[in-house]
Amino acid sequence: KAGVTQTPRYLIKTRGQQVTLSCSPISGHRSVSWYQQTPGQGLQFLFEYFSETQRNKGNFPGRFSGRQFSNSRSEMNVSTLELGDSALYLCASSLAGRRASGYEQYFGPGTRLTVT
Amino acid sequence: DAKTTQPNSMESNEEEPVHLPCNHSTISGTDYIHWYRQLPSQGPEYVIHGLTSNVNNRMASLAIAEDRKSSTLILHRATLRDAAVYYCILIYGANNLFFGTGTRLTVIP
Repeated sequence: KAGVTQTPRYLIKTRGQQVTLSCSPISGHRSVSWYQQTPGQGLQFLFEYFSETQRNKGNFPGRFSGRQFSNSRSEMNVSTLELGDSALYLCASSLAGRRASGYEQYFGPGTRLTVT
Repeated sequence: DAKTTQPNSMESNEEEPVHLPCNHSTISGTDYIHWYRQLPSQGPEYVIHGLTSNVNNRMASLAIAEDRKSSTLILHRATLRDAAVYYCILIYGANNLFFGTGTRLTVIP
């Protein structure tokens, strides 16, 4: 079974621009979550999508948004890029809805975004 | 979200057992204890999870204290490939993970 794929793997953008990152989950997985990883803040949860609906959201400004398509593929968008948005953006997929123990998350390799 | 506390770093000799501790004194009765690890230049990967009883899988064992205020991830024979940052995370009914700073494990050949 193919793993989680993320495109592009590397990206360089300029302050003020916007960027769209893509994530293809493991086949059959309906939940997709996004995380930001920086040296200073570590791994931080951005949002989760399930069945095309945002189900959970982390503490990030509205410049960060996402969506999920009917095939469970997901995109995240960052508008008006700032230098501090330079980070590794990770996508994770999991099997299905909710259960008390949580579901095992499968992470992709990430997209390295550099804002200059 | 309930917090976890882990040592910043640990070292182990190759082929020796490693015990990675995690404190979670404010854990609620319904929180599950999950462990993930992140190898260099990779996304995190799931290791193991449990609620009350000790758990074993092909990667590791999880020992949970009777009062559930602490747990220990056990790697039975550390290999160089086990060098990673290990995260202990509490989860109940959600798929979003709140990572702390984790423990950076160095394996010495």
